Amino acid sequence: NAGVTQTPKFQVLKTGQSMTLQCAQDMNHEYMSWYRQDPGMGLRLIHYSVGAGITDQGEVPNGYNVSRSTTEDFPLRLLSAAPSQTSVYFCASSYSWDTEAFFGQGTRLTVV
Amino acid sequence: QQQVKQSPQSLIVQKGGIPIINCAYENTAFDYFPWYQQFPGKGPALLIAIRPDVSEKKEGRFTISFNKSAKQFSLHIMDSQPGDSATYFCAASQERAGNNRKLIWGLGTSLAVNP
Repeated sequence: NAGVTQTPKFQVLKTGQSMTLQCAQDMNHEYMSWYRQDPGMGLRLIHYSVGAGITDQGEVPNGYNVSRSTTEDFPLRLLSAAPSQTSVYFCASSYSWDTEAFFGQGTRLTVV
Repeated sequence: QQQVKQSPQSLIVQKGGIPIINCAYENTAFDYFPWYQQFPGKGPALLIAIRPDVSEKKEGRFTISFNKSAKQFSLHIMDSQPGDSATYFCAASQERAGNNRKLIWGLGTSLAVNP
């Protein structure tokens, strides 16, 4: 059982480049989320989804897009990378909001 | 505005000590309070969770104490070990209509347990 798989683990982008962070889960969870983690800032919700075809914004959505075409996958797209998007990104999935959230290993992104 | 306030920011204890991490909230509609543990280079993992109908929950060496009237909940780690050294996050969520429920996170506490 793989759980939540994120790729890549590390990425360096130049300012203005775009890229997609991949997230896949094999637990048939409806709820999926993307967070960014910065020192002293805790976990901040970027976007989330409550099922295939349904997405919504979190507290820091600017500069990011998401889509949810299948239950398993929830990619995060950076449209035009900025140095302020340098962070560690985590994808999480859960059966519902008040049950255990399973996190991926994280993607460490550096924008130069 | 931080809806879940976590303290202290960092904590150092000796092996066998009982570190206590506190969280306070304002929203009385919160009804689910989990604690997550995160090791360096890893994603957070659920440690223990509580709902407001109980005042205490124990799982192994980890205990959540919940004070509904004070709007506070705490994590206690009994007989702490160097392997407990990690960052701990509290969180809270509330039931909302339309699947609009989210986890609100504290800023985390970095715990170091010295041998």
